Amino acid sequence: ETGVTQTPRHLVMGMTNKKSLKCEQHLGHNAMYWYKQSAKKPLELMFVYSLEERVENNSVPSRFSPECPNSSHLFLHLHTLQPEDSALYLCASSQDLSETQYFGPGTRLLVL
Amino acid sequence: AQSVTQLGSHVSVSEGALVLLRCNYSSSVPPYLFWYVQYPNQGLQLLLKYTSAATLVKGINGFEAEFKKSETSFHLTKPSAHMSDAAEYFCAVSDLGDDKIIFGKGTRLHILP
Repeated sequence: ETGVTQTPRHLVMGMTNKKSLKCEQHLGHNAMYWYKQSAKKPLELMFVYSLEERVENNSVPSRFSPECPNSSHLFLHLHTLQPEDSALYLCASSQDLSETQYFGPGTRLLVL
Repeated sequence: AQSVTQLGSHVSVSEGALVLLRCNYSSSVPPYLFWYVQYPNQGLQLLLKYTSAATLVKGINGFEAEFKKSETSFHLTKPSAHMSDAAEYFCAVSDLGDDKIIFGKGTRLHILP
């Protein structure tokens, strides 16, 4: 399998649930990213990891918790989300920071 | 600080007609510029990228973009639109050494039969 994969592709959760989104890249890249894409809003960068260390956190609420155990895997742990958190969550990777980013297919999240 | 402006959130063209999607950027140093395409229910896919080599950049699916420093523009064009080009297109900018790419708000391209 090549490229960037994300699981699950679709997720419905209640506001009291805890769930995790998974991203895996098979490109040998050093940087990974989480983005949020909501209807009628620009793509929002959430977290950036380089060589497994977080380098960017754009004032994201603490109910979103990223984890990067190694350079190939990135998780986004979700707990006590709000309905306005419903969106498409995209993962991306790049060889290094500011290089071309390659995106996964996204996880479509619905919070009820 | 870098920024990207895409003119027109929606653009409609007839099949076979010229596609022109506009992007203007601001950057304090020579930038890297990108165009990405997003088809329904999919992630973003790189169309083309400018990195200070040739100012006319050719990408996939017959698209190309021209870097014009004097106009701070990086417009995306395709001579003849195809129904399969219907998607959302994002222009993006980054500076060498920066830790992120800044995306525009996107332009949804509609192809009319």
